[in-house]
Amino acid sequence: EVQLLESGGGLVQPGGSLRLSCVGSGFTFSSYTMSWVRQAPGKGLEWVSSISSGGGNIDYTDSVKGRFTISRDNSKNTVYLQLNSLRAEDTALYYCAKYYGISGYYPYWGQGTLVTVSS
Amino acid sequence: DIVMTQTPLSSPVTLGQPASISCRSSQSLVHSDGNTYLSWLQQRPGQPPRLLIYKVSNRFSGVPDRFSGSGAGTDFTLKISRVEAEDVGVYYCMQATQFPRTFGQGTKVEIK
Repeated sequence: EVQLLESGGGLVQPGGSLRLSCVGSGFTFSSYTMSWVRQAPGKGLEWVSSISSGGGNIDYTDSVKGRFTISRDNSKNTVYLQLNSLRAEDTALYYCAKYYGISGYYPYWGQGTLVTVSS
Repeated sequence: DIVMTQTPLSSPVTLGQPASISCRSSQSLVHSDGNTYLSWLQQRPGQPPRLLIYKVSNRFSGVPDRFSGSGAGTDFTLKISRVEAEDVGVYYCMQATQFPRTFGQGTKVEIK
């Protein structure tokens, strides 16, 4: 059974930092692109970032470029999202999702970890 | 960026009746490899998104056959043939043809 477990969320002041983690199990983690998608309270879904299976290809949405960094450690079946210079508008539930590139979809999602940016 | 526009944003439906959601993209979703990477996701209250349909019309494993997807180019539709109580939630279309991946605003399906 595929499982994705996010952690690392919390309350942080504007300008602060957090590191989110997502551990995958039940599949060959090193073979898949992984992504982060966020959802602000009461709002829709927003793709944040993706990293290819080997880590060589990385993409970000414009609003987080230069502030967020995605990385992965395939030996630990883990993908990370480093969040720096946080703003109030980054407050959201951050989901980790496994991407099936051959058919271009996200078949599996974690339960999410909540990031709240507030003073 | 490709903008995904869904209509309606809210759809009150009687149990057992059909529902239809439209999704329009600001540019063609046909990839250079010939595929169209348009998927539909369902998000029940308090739950993460769940994949229903991928590549326009392919039902994901375990998805009931009352859900169907259709369309091409820039216009796509999700249909629920007979709405059941468990179908309540928000439905999103999503394109993976181009970065950044983008989602529609979401359509809330509720029971009348």
